[in-house]
Amino acid sequence: AQSVTQLGSHVSVSEGALVLLRCNYSSSVPPYLFWYVQYPNQGLQLLLKYTTGATLVKGINGFEAEFKKSETSFHLTKPSAHMSDAAEYFCAVSRRGGTSYGKLTFGQGTILTVHP
Amino acid sequence: GAGVSQSPSNKVTEKGKDVELRCDPISGHTALYWYRQSLGQGLEFLIYFQGNSAPDKSGLPSDRFSAERTGGSVSTLTIQRTQQEDSAVYLCASSSQVGGSGTYFGPGTRLTVT
Repeated sequence: AQSVTQLGSHVSVSEGALVLLRCNYSSSVPPYLFWYVQYPNQGLQLLLKYTTGATLVKGINGFEAEFKKSETSFHLTKPSAHMSDAAEYFCAVSRRGGTSYGKLTFGQGTILTVHP
Repeated sequence: GAGVSQSPSNKVTEKGKDVELRCDPISGHTALYWYRQSLGQGLEFLIYFQGNSAPDKSGLPSDRFSAERTGGSVSTLTIQRTQQEDSAVYLCASSSQVGGSGTYFGPGTRLTVT
């Protein structure tokens, strides 16, 4: 079975500071990896995904994430936080191969707060 | 349409009543998923439809929950004899056949059972 652990349910940064949201997964084979963002009272928006190829992937709004197989991690970063980045972020995985790639297992989420 | 749409956006119902939630996926997406988001349980997979294959119902919490997908497009999630613990946001998502292409979510239906 797959599982996802997000370290830190709440992360607080100052505007302009580095954002680092941690995600580790457990899976018998490397899965597909995703980060989603959820703004208040809205649905989930796909930030970025790793499927194959380059392990550093870039997404929307200046976010990027690096897949590290040896560490079973897929941490999300952004060099400089903006007030508009305040939201809840979810790391998710799905099984590689077959047709159920959209059947996602989510982490518990990390609420990002950005201070002026 | 440009994205996944869901209706209604909010639904308040009395305990014991049946409710139907609707999802219209992205045009051309063959896979459709229902998830539930609640404070205590986080984001949970409920059910998955892929083309003409039998749906994967492994996430449905009880036999009061059912879903159908008509014509390979629109889906309806039905909850019979609603209970207070059914209160949650119900999210629909869709994806294409390409592995790892990304799964795109609708805005959700917030269900409140009183």
